[in-house]
Amino acid sequence: GIQVEQSPPDLILQEGANSTLRCNFSDSVNNLQWFHQNPWGQLINLFYIPSGTKQNGRLSATTVATERYSLLYISSSQTTDSGVYFCAVRGGSNYKLTFGKGTLLTVNP
Amino acid sequence: SQTIHQWPATLVQPVGSPLSLECTVEGTSNPNLYWYRQAAGRGLQLLFYSVGIGQISSEVPQNLSASRPQDRQFILSSKKLLLSDSGFYLCAWSRVIEQYFGPGTRLTVT
Repeated sequence: GIQVEQSPPDLILQEGANSTLRCNFSDSVNNLQWFHQNPWGQLINLFYIPSGTKQNGRLSATTVATERYSLLYISSSQTTDSGVYFCAVRGGSNYKLTFGKGTLLTVNP
Repeated sequence: SQTIHQWPATLVQPVGSPLSLECTVEGTSNPNLYWYRQAAGRGLQLLFYSVGIGQISSEVPQNLSASRPQDRQFILSSKKLLLSDSGFYLCAWSRVIEQYFGPGTRLTVT
């Protein structure tokens, strides 16, 4: 199956700093999603981005499908950005998303 | 708009007791439905998925089972809980592409 690796595993920032989270995957995909898991455990959809670039407020994402990686950018980070960020991919005709192990982001005031 | 509900939100059960977790989706029809478990740490493990009523695919052989008695209802069950069944259980749905998650059930087996 597809392998998904996320880096870094942990990241600590001061409020206002920018960050880049990376997701590498081992095969071609037709679905790539970024999620934010908040401290209450809720998984929140950030982006559906199998290719290209999208922006939503302070967050943006880029997927280079031919090189099998995706980047999530967080600008001017806030304490509410803290939590675990997951990348998940799906390839071929199956229904399953394969998740990376996540990046734990801590934003300090 | 679509919404997904899970209950209960938290549950503490003794070893050997039965389990039933319920998930329902509103605002869509014939969704694909999924059960995940997140143990201590971060990884999400897919347990079951369903593409239609009565159609269940199991990803990991274990102490749990799933059923889909109605189009938008997905149930996770166990006849006898083990300590290792503790974790955070998430239900998810998808229609075409994107997958959306419910609020989760935190299960502690004592």
